[in-house]
Amino acid sequence: AQSVTQLDSHVSVSEGTPVLLRCNYSSSYSPSLFWYVQHPNKGLQLLLKYTSAATLVKGINGFEAEFKKSETSFHLTKPSAHMSDAAEYFCVVRANQFYFGTGTSLTVIP
Amino acid sequence: DVKVTQSSRYLVKRTGEKVFLECVQDMDHENMFWYRQDPGLGLRLIYFSYDVKMKEKGDIPEGYSVSREKKERFSLILESASTNQTSMYLCASSLFLVGGQTEAFFGQGTRLTVV
Repeated sequence: AQSVTQLDSHVSVSEGTPVLLRCNYSSSYSPSLFWYVQHPNKGLQLLLKYTSAATLVKGINGFEAEFKKSETSFHLTKPSAHMSDAAEYFCVVRANQFYFGTGTSLTVIP
Repeated sequence: DVKVTQSSRYLVKRTGEKVFLECVQDMDHENMFWYRQDPGLGLRLIYFSYDVKMKEKGDIPEGYSVSREKKERFSLILESASTNQTSMYLCASSLFLVGGQTEAFFGQGTRLTVV
């Protein structure tokens, strides 16, 4: 069975400091993993995806995620937060359908 | 540029009305999905479709039905709208590849209010 757990429902960081959004997954086989971002009143935009080619995945807007099979984790990071990063972030695992975490709301404090 | 278009951004309907939410994609994707999004619950799958005229129930299909007569269009139908169906509805599409690893593309969402 596939599932995703986002460990924090809310994260607050100061502008210019690192961002860490945590995600653990459960998958019966080699997973396909994604991070999406949703800005207020907008649809979901793909940030990055894990395709098994490399464990460190680079995405848009300076975000990265590292796939750790031993820890069943796929945490999202960014070295320096920007005000425009304030949004809802979803970790997703794919089987025949997409399984979403409940989301992490990121607040960036000026 | 890939595109998933939902017919309305905002809808207000009365209890008991039959409601149609339309979604069109221009990427020739086999798979299409309908989700509803509620605060604290993330996205929950209502129905999905592998291909034309095919449909599968998701996690919360009760009170909903779908139609996929053409590959590019996937409609969500609320047979008799109720206030607990007030929500944000998101449509998505993706390619089907054996082994997965293909992302979903989302529409901008329809915020439905049932009064």
